[in-house]
Amino acid sequence: GENVEQHPSTLSVQEGDSAVIKCTYSDSASNYFPWYKQELGKGPQLIIDIRSNVGEKKDQRIAVTLNKTAKHFSLHITETQPEDSAVYFCAASASGTYKYIFGTGTRLKVLA
Amino acid sequence: DGGITQSPKYLFRKEGQNVTLSCEQNLNHDAMYWYRQDPGQGLRLIYYSQIVNDFQKGDIAEGYSVSREKKESFPLTVTSAQKNPTAFYLCASSSRTGKVGYTFGSGTRLTVV
Repeated sequence: GENVEQHPSTLSVQEGDSAVIKCTYSDSASNYFPWYKQELGKGPQLIIDIRSNVGEKKDQRIAVTLNKTAKHFSLHITETQPEDSAVYFCAASASGTYKYIFGTGTRLKVLA
Repeated sequence: DGGITQSPKYLFRKEGQNVTLSCEQNLNHDAMYWYRQDPGQGLRLIYYSQIVNDFQKGDIAEGYSVSREKKESFPLTVTSAQKNPTAFYLCASSSRTGKVGYTFGSGTRLTVV
């Protein structure tokens, strides 16, 4: 069935370093890929998304890249700060569907 | 401000009881969703609804029920048939296309005592 694999499950970086989280999807019909940030005890918040007609999108310190051939996409956070510490989820959905398939999440810890 | 509201934030249930979690949105979104979150397992879809008076089972619907009588509301009932109901429950909504990202509520933590 449809699946999204996300790695790593936990990631610790020093403040100021970069963090990269990778996801691989199985459904070749997927064409929309959002990333969510979830802080402790709260609901996930959309932080960036990318559609299949582009290869990269940036928003200040965060960026997402998409490789459709390899069916994987990645979240890049540069100049990490303690407030970036959270759980990050990737997701994929196909055109004409409402359902997202979520990855299992990455717990990012930024060490001061 | 538009948003999605879940209540209560914390809920305790005795074994054998049904309990209903509330989810209300004022975003004029057509689609609404319920997810269950357990540690290390990400988000698992329980039920979703694309329009009023219609809903579909997700991946883990057993032991749960929903209704969609109004566009703004999508309550989830955790029945006594759900064997392991202790979890964090998230409600979300999206536009008809679903291509601008889900908006999530702040969640309800259900604990069986």
